[in-house]
Amino acid sequence: GAVVSQHPSWVICKSGTSVKIECRSLDFQATTMFWYRQFPKQSLMLMATSNEGSKATYEQGVEKDKFLINHASLTLSTLTVTSAHPEDSSFYICSAPGGSYGYTFGSGTRLTVV
Amino acid sequence: AQKVTQAQTEISVVEKEDVTLDCVYETRDTTYYLFWYKQPPSGELVFLIRRNSFDEQNEISGRYSWNFQKSTSSFNFTITASQVVDSAVYFCALSEATWGFNKFYFGSGTKLNVKP
Repeated sequence: GAVVSQHPSWVICKSGTSVKIECRSLDFQATTMFWYRQFPKQSLMLMATSNEGSKATYEQGVEKDKFLINHASLTLSTLTVTSAHPEDSSFYICSAPGGSYGYTFGSGTRLTVV
Repeated sequence: AQKVTQAQTEISVVEKEDVTLDCVYETRDTTYYLFWYKQPPSGELVFLIRRNSFDEQNEISGRYSWNFQKSTSSFNFTITASQVVDSAVYFCALSEATWGFNKFYFGSGTKLNVKP
């Protein structure tokens, strides 16, 4: 079945540094990738939608200059958290249309900024 | 606007009890999908079911069953004879089914604790 490989699974970084999260579709082409964020004990909220070859669309309230999204190929989308701060600590998960259930989620990345 | 409400924040049951997780949704679309996902402590989302808005048949899969009622905009999930391994956070979600690919609207989740 369809698989979206997300890396890293977890990352700890220092405040002020940047972190890149990758989501790769392994056996299908993902022209679209959805990026969600989940704060502790809260629900998943859509941050942005990336489309291969075009600019990402950000949800209201999400800083596009802070959360850089690149969808350079049909199988890879990346989210870079720039100048990370402790309040960016969260669980980030991507999702691509495809697979038996309509959408396939990555396994998520737990980001801790210290 | 789309909205999913899971009013139960946390539920605790003893093993072998039956438990129902409630989900109520709002949408103006006539065509949409409803989902249930399980999120264990590790964080990944485990797909449980997808139902489209035209299929109101209830479904049973082993100990899991789902009751979809458009009249009340509800899509409830029942676990029969719960087990400790069922302990997790469960999310109900709604997705539009218009042209193109659509985002999910997640409920706030229900944390299920199954005690031995």
